[in-house]
Amino acid sequence: DSGVTQTPKHLITATGQRVTLRCSPRSGDLSVYWYQQSLDQGLQFLIQYYNGEERAKGNILERFSAQQFPDLHSELNLSSLELGDSALYFCASSPGGDGTQYFGPGTRLTVL
Amino acid sequence: QQQVKQSPQSLIVQKGGISIINCAYENTAFDYFPWYQQFPGKGPALLIAIRPDVSEKKEGRFTISFNKSAKQFSLHIMDSQPGDSATYFCAASETGGGADGLTFGKGTHLIIQP
Repeated sequence: DSGVTQTPKHLITATGQRVTLRCSPRSGDLSVYWYQQSLDQGLQFLIQYYNGEERAKGNILERFSAQQFPDLHSELNLSSLELGDSALYFCASSPGGDGTQYFGPGTRLTVL
Repeated sequence: QQQVKQSPQSLIVQKGGISIINCAYENTAFDYFPWYQQFPGKGPALLIAIRPDVSEKKEGRFTISFNKSAKQFSLHIMDSQPGDSATYFCAASETGGGADGLTFGKGTHLIIQP
């Protein structure tokens, strides 16, 4: 158990809908990262937050957004969902600075 | 543009043998190179990591070899066991500026045959 929690574990929704994925980092970790894992694209970095502020953006679509709250938990919002957004979404956390990242168990999103 | 190339895609090794997975990177600013192990239905778990100031790091049966001039690094699993059967990912990041999202290889599906 990495200490990173993610909810929900599974999410099934329809095209055009909007969903919110939630992540609680390890105790004391200030950095939160979001990744998408799909068969065709592999594991891709989406976005990083550090202590409530956006720190870096990766291959995140404009339809996707995230935020980190004062208690350090983070939410990833996915809107106008398309079939191709079906994937595993992982959150990772880090104390910051040394590169070490610990991944949560993921949320499996299915868009029908 | 794939910045971290991983090979092979799949690998079958006999129990007790050595499993070797290779990665090559392009971005010379990368300064942190972790390996992750992922079982079906689980999140990636950090296995071992190395920085470019050392050429080798060993933790138990797992060893990373790093060649800075060739921009290559590899994972060696000694005395491979059936429980090591999983997908392995190499990754890289730049940690200097604090913006350190990981760039992953495509993964290697490792099967250890009893």
